[in-house]
Amino acid sequence: QQPVQSPQAVILREGEDAVINCSSSKALYSVHWYRQKHGEAPVFLMILLKGGEQKGHEKISASFNEKKQQSSLYLTASQLSYSGTYFCGTLSSGGSYIPTFGRGTSLIVHP
Amino acid sequence: NAGVTQTPKFQVLKTGQSMTLQCAQDMNHEYMSWYRQDPGMGLRLIHYSVGAGITDQGEVPNGYNVSRSTTEDFPLRLLSAAPSQTSVYFCASSYGVAREPQFFGPGTRLTVL
Repeated sequence: QQPVQSPQAVILREGEDAVINCSSSKALYSVHWYRQKHGEAPVFLMILLKGGEQKGHEKISASFNEKKQQSSLYLTASQLSYSGTYFCGTLSSGGSYIPTFGRGTSLIVHP
Repeated sequence: NAGVTQTPKFQVLKTGQSMTLQCAQDMNHEYMSWYRQDPGMGLRLIHYSVGAGITDQGEVPNGYNVSRSTTEDFPLRLLSAAPSQTSVYFCASSYGVAREPQFFGPGTRLTVL
């Protein structure tokens, strides 16, 4: 079962912050985040392993709450270049080697 | 490094035709995988390989075959194309033992008529 992302879309002005959430009904081993621009391949942003860690990539960071099987992606002081679709992928703790992916959150940053 | 390369970028097939999507990487990654991406749906894993000579099925393997004779190459074969296989296909690789796709090819947009 694929993870659920919220919100489906976010519209921001440059400099504003955004949070994108990813939740699963399964116990998770890892969560991974990607950004995809229209017509292009996804770009891997970061991976979070169980342990509640938080990671950062430029002004984009994420957290992973393994007890709630949830991860959040934080985009601070958004830039025009942040526009795109963000999606999460998950690997469950059950030993399956098949990652499943959310449907994505469309982020539009206006000047 | 070229990273992950895929050919062709676009392809139109008729129902019943077969073809091979090519994928290669020059990063010496052991793990390679094929995904399809359909509108409104997340990426779905078709097949994956943890090294030369080893392949396994993903979430949606029916209608596709793979082989891995070298570390660099991981072709995807459509045996008898169907309209349901119209999609964008991405090849990906990962370093180490990671199963999460980390480096993607540019994609192949396939239309089956």
